[in-house]
Amino acid sequence: SQQGEEDPQALSIQEGENATMNCSYKTSINNLQWYRQNSGRGLVHLILIRSNEREKHSGRLRVTLDTSKKSSSLLITASRAADTASYFCAPGSGNTGKLIFGQGTTLQVKP
Amino acid sequence: DTAVSQTPKYLVTQMGNDKSIKCEQNLGHDTMYWYKQDSKKFLKIMFSYNNKELIINETVPNRFSPKSPDKAHLNLHINSLELGDSAVYFCASSRRRDQETQYFGPGTRLLVL
Repeated sequence: SQQGEEDPQALSIQEGENATMNCSYKTSINNLQWYRQNSGRGLVHLILIRSNEREKHSGRLRVTLDTSKKSSSLLITASRAADTASYFCAPGSGNTGKLIFGQGTTLQVKP
Repeated sequence: DTAVSQTPKYLVTQMGNDKSIKCEQNLGHDTMYWYKQDSKKFLKIMFSYNNKELIINETVPNRFSPKSPDKAHLNLHINSLELGDSAVYFCASSRRRDQETQYFGPGTRLLVL
């Protein structure tokens, strides 16, 4: 199992702007998941993208996966103050459900 | 209708005490997990049970002992608490063991004094 590493560690933008967060990993994966954590809360699943997919959308979220570069990105369009949270990626491999999270990207959206 | 619930939400205790954290999921999932999140936000998996069978057992002091009385419950017992055990502990569940979406509980904030 392997850890996803998010970049940047912190991001501050104005409401309405787009936010892009990146994730890199080291070995082959079956899928990659993105989660959000609001301050003081548990993680909430956002999107799962499988290794044979290149792009996936969910509302204002767009996730891309480039297995050749071992990287993924999460784009939040037209950000809102409520998007303020930490965002974590979790590469998945093997069959135990073991996810290894990085330190996350802390996003602040200013109203 | 909380999907994954944990009790207690907050736990303040003295060093050397023994404490338990309980987790229940009403999603009908087969697999449950315990994670520890430190002050720097690193979230580390500790244990996982699949249908009451231990499948992940990370390098965790043996003062930590998980117990799964049935597949809807996964409890965490901690003996002889130490200052370094202070953290937020999250329970999670997934429909099955192979890299499915995980659903997290609200966390238990443990402070050891």
